[in-house]
Amino acid sequence: ILNVEQSPQSLHVQEGDSTNFTCSFPSSNFYALHWYRWETAKSPEALFVMTLNGDEKKKGRISATLNTKEGYSYLYIKGSQPEDSATYLCAPYNQGGKLIFGQGTELSVKP
Amino acid sequence: NAGVTQTPKFRVLKTGQSMTLLCAQDMNHEYMYWYRQDPGMGLRLIHYSVGEGTTAKGEVPDGYNVSRLKKQNFLLGLESAAPSQTSVYFCASSRIGEDPTYGYTFGSGTRLTVV
Repeated sequence: ILNVEQSPQSLHVQEGDSTNFTCSFPSSNFYALHWYRWETAKSPEALFVMTLNGDEKKKGRISATLNTKEGYSYLYIKGSQPEDSATYLCAPYNQGGKLIFGQGTELSVKP
Repeated sequence: NAGVTQTPKFRVLKTGQSMTLLCAQDMNHEYMYWYRQDPGMGLRLIHYSVGEGTTAKGEVPDGYNVSRLKKQNFLLGLESAAPSQTSVYFCASSRIGEDPTYGYTFGSGTRLTVV
C-alpha cells in the first residue's frame, strides 16, 4: 500500500490570496500522478494527470508541477476565489489498476 | 450519457442487517472500484475489480464483499452492518490499467448510516 501524504490538511485563505499545497508519494515504480478536485456534496472530478519529471499543467488559475525523482507534486492556485473552495486530492499511480488517494487538502476561500 | 450510477443514494441500516450497493457504468470500462469517505480520511479503497469476474482487496476490505458478474456492474455487500461502516461510499470506473493517464469517473455517492 502506497504512503501518500498531503499537506497541509486544511487551509483557510482570503479571496485574492495565492496558495499552494503539497503531495508526497513514494518515487519507486511511478507511472502517473493524478489530482482531483472535490467539492462538498459532489463527486471528485479529475483536474490534472502528470507523468514526466518536471511536468507542469495549468488550467485557468490552477497549476501543478511534478518531481518524480524526489516524489512530490505541488498544486498552486493564483488569486483564490470562493468557488475554489474544495478538497484537493492527489493519487500516484504505480501499477495494479488502482489509485490510492492522499487524505486531501481542504481549501476554504473567504470572500 | 449516464456515466457511473450508484443506488441507493441514502440508506439507514440497523446493526446486523445486510445490504447491497449497486454501481453501474455505461462506458465499457474494465476497472471498477469501491471507496469509502470518512472525515479527515480522504478516500480509502475497499475493493476493486480489473475486469469481469475479478475482484481484489483494497486498503480497508474487512466487513465487505464484492462481485463483478457483469462488466458494467460492481456490487458491494455488507453482510452484517456495524456502526463503523457508517460512511459515504463512492464507486468509480476507469481504463487506468490500460492507460495510466486515464482518470476515474465517480458516481454520486451513497450515504449509509448504521444505527
